[in-house]
Amino acid sequence: GAGVSQTPSNKVTEKGKYVELRCDPISGHTALYWYRQSLGQGPEFLIYFQGTGAADDSGLPNDRFFAVRPEGSVSTLKIQRTERGDSAVYLCASSLSTGDGYTFGSGTRLTVV
Amino acid sequence: GDSVTQMEGPVTLSEEAFLTINCTYTATGYPSLFWYVQYPGEGLQLLLKATKADDKGSNKGFEATYRKETTSFHLEKGSVQVSDSAVYFCALSREGDKIIFGKGTRLHILP
Repeated sequence: GAGVSQTPSNKVTEKGKYVELRCDPISGHTALYWYRQSLGQGPEFLIYFQGTGAADDSGLPNDRFFAVRPEGSVSTLKIQRTERGDSAVYLCASSLSTGDGYTFGSGTRLTVV
Repeated sequence: GDSVTQMEGPVTLSEEAFLTINCTYTATGYPSLFWYVQYPGEGLQLLLKATKADDKGSNKGFEATYRKETTSFHLEKGSVQVSDSAVYFCALSREGDKIIFGKGTRLHILP
């Protein structure tokens, strides 16, 4: 597509539930990144993929967070047993190669109640 | 580890004023440097970038020069407009690695 698409744009879930956030990158972009942005803060790195593999997952806060990119295109960020502190905007970005500026999606606003 | 420090906001200026938003970085090697902008209700957009020392990135009247000696990448604009009101993020990336962002600086331009 023309840009990075993230769905859903908003997600409200109850504490303890499981959620999946989807990212559809720009066609042909091999690098895909997930970030989390809390109110008033800069984007915080979570994980990045080069192709199908996670090249760096050092930003995932704990084992409740997991991400996949099985075919090297669409990626899903999965959060188990959600907590109120997980509430944030989750941003996805893609680029042709690492080191280039990214193209960001509009984000998924996750609210855990 | 690598990090970016930028001036805290909010910064409030009158239209046509001169803008500087300070940014310094800590990194090993020679990272690429970026400024991203987030307009109200919109996603993050790349504003400009510089990939090596003394490079100047520019876009939409904004400029920033990669200063290796002072590890800085300050954002400047000679005459701001109301439409420049947004949050600005300084960021860096080492070759083959993720982008690291600063906390952002909110800019308000008064008509």
